[in-house]
Amino acid sequence: QKEVEQNSGPLSVPEGAIASLNCTYSDRGSQSFFWYRQYSGKSPELIMSIYSNGDKEDGRFTAQLNKASQYVSLLIRDSQPSDSATYLCAVNPGSGYALNFGKGTSLLVTP
Amino acid sequence: EAQVTQNPRYLITVTGKKLTVTCSQNMNHEYMSWYRQDPGLGLRQIYYSMNVEVTDKGDVPEGYKVSRKEKRNFPLILESPSPNQTSLYFCASSSFSPTRDRIQETQYFGPGTRLLVL
Repeated sequence: QKEVEQNSGPLSVPEGAIASLNCTYSDRGSQSFFWYRQYSGKSPELIMSIYSNGDKEDGRFTAQLNKASQYVSLLIRDSQPSDSATYLCAVNPGSGYALNFGKGTSLLVTP
Repeated sequence: EAQVTQNPRYLITVTGKKLTVTCSQNMNHEYMSWYRQDPGLGLRQIYYSMNVEVTDKGDVPEGYKVSRKEKRNFPLILESPSPNQTSLYFCASSSFSPTRDRIQETQYFGPGTRLLVL
C-alpha cells in the first residue's frame, strides 16, 4: 500500500504568520509531488509541484522536498484568512500518471 | 476560458442501473483522471489516461470503466452501480511542459458530480 500521510488538523495560525503543512510518503520510488488547496464544497486546485530535493518558491508558497526522509512540506508565508482551506498532498509513485493523495490538512487562519 | 466540464452535476440512481458521467476539457491536455472523494478516505484515483486510447487503473478501479476515444473526452461508466459507489466524483485534466529549468504543470479539476446510489 502506497501511503501518503498528513496530519488532519485543524492547524490554526494567526493572520500574517507562516503556516507549515507536512506530508510523508511510504514509497521510496516516488517521483513527483503536488500540493492542492480545496475550499469547502469546491474542487481541488493545484498550488505547487516539486520534483527534486530542496525548496521551490512561488509567491507566498514554498514547497520543500526531502526524498531521503520521505517528506514534503508546504510553507505559506504571510497567511491570510482566504488561505483557510484543506490542503492535500499527492504523490506520484513513479508509474504513469498514478496519484496517491493524503487525506488533507485543514488550515484555519484567524484574523 | 480553460474549462473541465462534468455532467451530470448531481445524480440519484438505483442499484444496477448503468450510468455514465461525462467529462470534457477544452485545453488539449494529454492527461485526464477520475477521482472519488469520500469523508474520512480523502481523494482516491479511479482511472487515468495519458492520451487517446491509453488508460490505466488508479487506486480504486473496481466497478468502473473508462474510455478515451477523443482527446477532449474521458467518460466514467458505472455498469452496475452499487451503494458503495455513492460519492463525490471529480474529473481532472493536466499537461506537462518542460521549460528551461523545470517542468511546468497545468491542471484543472471539474466541478464535481455528486452521486447517490440507492
